[in-house]
Amino acid sequence: EVQLVESGGGLIQPGGSLRLSCAASGFTVSSNYMSWVRQAPGKGLEWVSVIYSGGSTYYADSVKGRFTISRDNSKNTLYLQMNSLRAEDTAVYYCVGSEGWFDPWGQGTLVTVSS
Amino acid sequence: NFMLTQPHSVSESPGKTVTISCTGSSGSIASNYVQWYQQRPGSAPTTVIYEDNQRPSGVPDRFSGSIDSSSNSASLTISGLKTEDEADYYCQSYDSSRHYVFGTGTKVTVL
Repeated sequence: EVQLVESGGGLIQPGGSLRLSCAASGFTVSSNYMSWVRQAPGKGLEWVSVIYSGGSTYYADSVKGRFTISRDNSKNTLYLQMNSLRAEDTAVYYCVGSEGWFDPWGQGTLVTVSS
Repeated sequence: NFMLTQPHSVSESPGKTVTISCTGSSGSIASNYVQWYQQRPGSAPTTVIYEDNQRPSGVPDRFSGSIDSSSNSASLTISGLKTEDEADYYCQSYDSSRHYVFGTGTKVTVL
């Protein structure tokens, strides 16, 4: 069974840093395009970042220079390092396979940026 | 910036048909594949249509997708509406940089 499990979310003050993790089972992170997609409370979906199987990375303008996507092939895990967090980064963050279309999805982890 | 615009909400009775539009702000929507995702409250999205009009296994044939180049729009049609179809629906495609773009989302209410 394919499973993506996110962790690392929580309450963080503005300007702080947080690292999200996404552990995969039944699915090889390094062989697939992998993205982070977020959803602010009561709002729509927003693509955040992608890492291609070849290692290239891309970011939405809203997070460029602040967030870094990476993976650990030995742990079959995807990461999102989030720095200089702002209130508008408050959202549920989903880890998603994104080769062609978004599938599979994790259950999401909530990040709340507030003082 | 490239945007995909959807109606905020649509509603219809059980057994009827609803169609959700997804209009591209620029360029040709036909130049990149369009996907559609269903999101029920409290759950992660799931794919109902990929590559414009393809259904993943397990998605009933009541769901269909199409492209209309004349209006630069994609559409998701749900026929034989059921109460379980009540959810938010998002279209998704790509901008000129091949970055992923989601539509604004449509809430489907089954009356």
